[in-house]
Amino acid sequence: QQQVKQSPQSLIVQKGGISIINCAYENTAFDYFPWYQQFPGKGPALLIAIRPDVSEKKEGRFTISFNKSAKQFSLHIMDSQPGDSATYFCAASDGYSTLTFGKGTMLLVSP
Amino acid sequence: EAQVTQNPRYLITVTGKKLTVTCSQNMNHEYMSWYRQDPGLGLRQIYYSMNVEVTDKGDVPEGYKVSRKEKRNFPLILESPSPNQTSLYFCASSLVAGDGAVGEKLFFGSGTQLSVL
Repeated sequence: QQQVKQSPQSLIVQKGGISIINCAYENTAFDYFPWYQQFPGKGPALLIAIRPDVSEKKEGRFTISFNKSAKQFSLHIMDSQPGDSATYFCAASDGYSTLTFGKGTMLLVSP
Repeated sequence: EAQVTQNPRYLITVTGKKLTVTCSQNMNHEYMSWYRQDPGLGLRQIYYSMNVEVTDKGDVPEGYKVSRKEKRNFPLILESPSPNQTSLYFCASSLVAGDGAVGEKLFFGSGTQLSVL
């Protein structure tokens, strides 16, 4: 079964700090790695995504780092804000089958 | 406004009483999918559909049925709900490219919280 392993399960970061969430995958056919952000009472929404032809993608305070040889990718949230408090899901796809999601990380950014 | 609409938002029912959760999207997406979200287990796919009249099982299909008679609608049916189907359910949709690749962006509904007593 395709798997994406996500850690940590929960994370508390002080305002202004860096939040880091890690994911690892096994299927070398995966070629698309998105991160979804979910606020309480809402459905997940696409936050940022990367393909393995680059090692890093940055959008504002959010950065994905990708290590193809280690089959790992991570989300970094710089200058974390209380408004970033949410559940974050990593995911992976080979483009022709559906997304496989990690189990999620609950992030709390304390004021 | 582009959106995926699920109804109802909250549903409390009893074991064995058939129920349907509706899902509708207004983006002309070919791909639609149902997920359940449980604490510590993340998002698990129940069923998905690549187009009208085309459905397939996801990771946890037991106890669920779906149909895709129209492009915009993808209802989730629980013929005989049981307490272990108490969960938060999400419908999602996406484009499918001409080569069959599922679109890069999944659009999710706001969720249906189901409690089976």
